[in-house]
Amino acid sequence: AQRVTQPEKLLSVFKGAPVELKCNYSYSGSPELFWYVQYSRQRLQLLLRHISRESIKGFTADLNKGETSFHLKKPFAQEEDSAMYYCALSGIPSGSARQLTFGSGTQLTVLP
Amino acid sequence: DSGVTQTPKHLITATGQRVTLRCSPRSGDLSVYWYQQSLDQGLQFLIQYYNGEERAKGNILERFSAQQFPDLHSELNLSSLELGDSALYFCASSVEGLAAGWGEQFFGPGTRLTVL
Repeated sequence: AQRVTQPEKLLSVFKGAPVELKCNYSYSGSPELFWYVQYSRQRLQLLLRHISRESIKGFTADLNKGETSFHLKKPFAQEEDSAMYYCALSGIPSGSARQLTFGSGTQLTVLP
Repeated sequence: DSGVTQTPKHLITATGQRVTLRCSPRSGDLSVYWYQQSLDQGLQFLIQYYNGEERAKGNILERFSAQQFPDLHSELNLSSLELGDSALYFCASSVEGLAAGWGEQFFGPGTRLTVL
């Protein structure tokens, strides 16, 4: 089975402070991991994916296979980063077709 | 708008009723996915269609069904509705379906269903 765990439902940081949103996964194969973001009253959109190793809006995430983690980080949070963040894993559970499994999400609030 | 569209935006109905949610994928996308987002369950994958055929099933109740039509739009049918079915229902689309893709899905704005 594939599972994604985001231990923090809510996270608040002050503007300019570093932020880290935690994500741990469980998957027997080689995972593909993503971060999706949902700004207030907007649709979910892809923020970044581990295979591209890119930085989007100052966010980065490194896949740590040893710790089965894919934490999202940003050195200096901005108020416009306030949103719901979902970690997601693309895998093939039990021989079925590839599926995207989402974590429960972390609501990030950046305080002025 | 060439993105994923969903209708209606809001739906209010009573227990025991049946509703149909509609989704039009992005132009060129063959796969359609349905998700349910509720406060207590988070974002749950329901079902996927690829080019008209069911591809994968997630946590979809037997009271729910879906289909994808030749023009690739999809409908999610929810019947014998219960209070607990109140949620935001998202549709997403992507290009890949049969091959192992890299998982980017494009989401619609969702349909908010309220069951009274």
